[in-house]
Amino acid sequence: GQSLEQPSEVTAVEGAIVQINCTYQTSGFYGLSWYQQHDGGAPTFLSYNALDGLEETGRFSSFLSRSDSYGYLLLQELQMKDSASYFCAPVTGGGNKLTFGTGTQLKVEL
Amino acid sequence: DTGVSQDPRHKITKRGQNVTFRCDPISEHNRLYWYRQTLGQGPEFLTYFQNEAQLEKSRLLSDRFSAERPKGSFSTLEIQRTEQGDSAMYLCASSLLRGVRDTQYFGPGTRLTVL
Repeated sequence: GQSLEQPSEVTAVEGAIVQINCTYQTSGFYGLSWYQQHDGGAPTFLSYNALDGLEETGRFSSFLSRSDSYGYLLLQELQMKDSASYFCAPVTGGGNKLTFGTGTQLKVEL
Repeated sequence: DTGVSQDPRHKITKRGQNVTFRCDPISEHNRLYWYRQTLGQGPEFLTYFQNEAQLEKSRLLSDRFSAERPKGSFSTLEIQRTEQGDSAMYLCASSLLRGVRDTQYFGPGTRLTVL
């Protein structure tokens, strides 16, 4: 079957670094996407890993280990505007459809 | 703005009524996806199109749901005989498939409330 695990909530202070872990079990896996969603907003694409290793995009980095079915999103120099829900979403199947879990709610405090 | 647009943004309807939502993807994107999101959950895949062809439908998509993308550009999602359980945010996403890779960009969603 399919499963997806992320912490439900993470709290950190402004300027800090936070890591959001994701473990998945799915068939037809192509890669792992990460999306950010603010309350009432649409999911916004952050990063995609098709291969093992680290992808860096500005303050955000994402890592994938296909053999461990594990990935993480690393957010550096946290800002208040980073308070949002973060979803890891395995990309599967011929349609590259995304499978979302319940996400991780990140709260950034002063 | 050349992002994905959806119309209407909000829809309130009575149980048993039919509703139709529209999605305009990013120009030249050949794939279009529909997802549904309820409070506290992530989006759930419903269906997707490549150009005008509907290639996959989720088991979540009952017979009351139908989607079209007649000319490979905009898409409509119709829900017939709405039920209270259909209340959700309906999200559309589009992408440009290059090789095996595409990145999905989401629209603002249509929030449906069924009374």
